[in-house]
Amino acid sequence: GAVVSQHPSRVICKSGTSVKIECRSLDFQATTMFWYRQFPKQSLMLMATSNEGSKATYEQGVEKDKFLINHASLTLSTLTVTSAHPEDSSFYICSALGVLRGSEAFFGQGTRLTVV
Amino acid sequence: DAKTTQPPSMDCAEGRAANLPCNHSTISGNEYVYWYRQIHSQGPQYIIHGLKNNETNEMASLIITEDRKSSTLILPHATLRDTAVYYCIVRVERGDKLVFGAGTILRVKS
Repeated sequence: GAVVSQHPSRVICKSGTSVKIECRSLDFQATTMFWYRQFPKQSLMLMATSNEGSKATYEQGVEKDKFLINHASLTLSTLTVTSAHPEDSSFYICSALGVLRGSEAFFGQGTRLTVV
Repeated sequence: DAKTTQPPSMDCAEGRAANLPCNHSTISGNEYVYWYRQIHSQGPQYIIHGLKNNETNEMASLIITEDRKSSTLILPHATLRDTAVYYCIVRVERGDKLVFGAGTILRVKS
């Protein structure tokens, strides 16, 4: 299957700082990327959908000024958690949908964020 | 909101077939049934998808009832590495977001 790479896989940051998570599609062009968060023992919750070159669409209840998403190219999307707080600690996962890769979405390996 | 219902957990003996059911009684005519799985602390992995015909690939088989209100994912010879949370999702084929429900925890036991 197609490869989607997330970086970093784990990050620990101090409260009040910002953290950037990168999501790259390595062998295909991703016109659409999705960002999810997952708390322990829970399912994935969709945060936002981003299309290359346009503003992200956020799900209800997700603060767009808190979770900044940039999809500047067909192979890279970034999620920046601004002014992080301990309650932002979670597992963040990206997913990419390609132009020529069929209809299935491919997922990154996830980023474990811990805010201390 | 997730449009599917799955049992919260299932056990399966190693080497036997694992049959995971999914109900999607409100599925629309243009919605596909997708299956993904998530092994602990990893991103979800695509397994298979179908519209109305049964589908098979190297990982699994997907059986969809004629009325399309339910389906079954079949792992023909489960191994310990198949222990994971399995998610059944209905979605228009292209471009639509994937909304995850609670999924089924499959435990394969030796």
